[in-house]
Amino acid sequence: GQNIDQPTEMTATEGAIVQINCTYQTSGFNGLFWYQQHAGEAPTFLSYNVLDGLEEKGRFSSFLSRSKGYSYLLLKELQMKDSASYLCAVRDSNYQLIWGAGTKLIIKP
Amino acid sequence: TAGITQAPTSQILAAGRSMTLRCTQDMRHNAMYWYRQDLGLGLRLIHYSNTAGTTGKGEVPDGYSVSRANTDDFPLTLASAVPSQTSVYFCASSDSERGDSNEQFFGPGTRLTVL
Repeated sequence: GQNIDQPTEMTATEGAIVQINCTYQTSGFNGLFWYQQHAGEAPTFLSYNVLDGLEEKGRFSSFLSRSKGYSYLLLKELQMKDSASYLCAVRDSNYQLIWGAGTKLIIKP
Repeated sequence: TAGITQAPTSQILAAGRSMTLRCTQDMRHNAMYWYRQDLGLGLRLIHYSNTAGTTGKGEVPDGYSVSRANTDDFPLTLASAVPSQTSVYFCASSDSERGDSNEQFFGPGTRLTVL
């Protein structure tokens, strides 16, 4: 079966750095996505990785290792507005997205 | 730019009744999707459409039907609602089902409660 695993909840301090991990087992791989979802709102796109390595976008970076079935999202200089759920999704051999349950990130002052 | 809109925002529905959730996008995206999101579970694909005139079944299609008469609209119909269909429903669209990133853009969601 297909499976995406990520921690249910994480807590971090404003101004700090946090790493959210995602491991996956899917039928085929055609890219990995990270989305942010604030409570009661729609998911919004953060990043996309299809090749191994690190993609940096301002305070957010995403890393992929296809051989390990592993990705992480790194958030630097945390702000209170970063409190949200972070969703990992893998595009499988049918080009459909398989979604993890999301990691709820709580930022404390 | 409106992007992608959904209606209604929320609805309480009696079991056994039918309902259509509306979704419209103005981005001229060819691919559209319907997901449901339940607490503790990832987004699950109900139905999708790669282009106007075609539809396909996702992971959890039972009890739902869709149509794609044109590029912009992708309604989701519950023929006879059951309490297990209580969920938040998201419609999404993307520029193409294949190639490069083609991230999905999501509508604001419809919160449906079936009693």
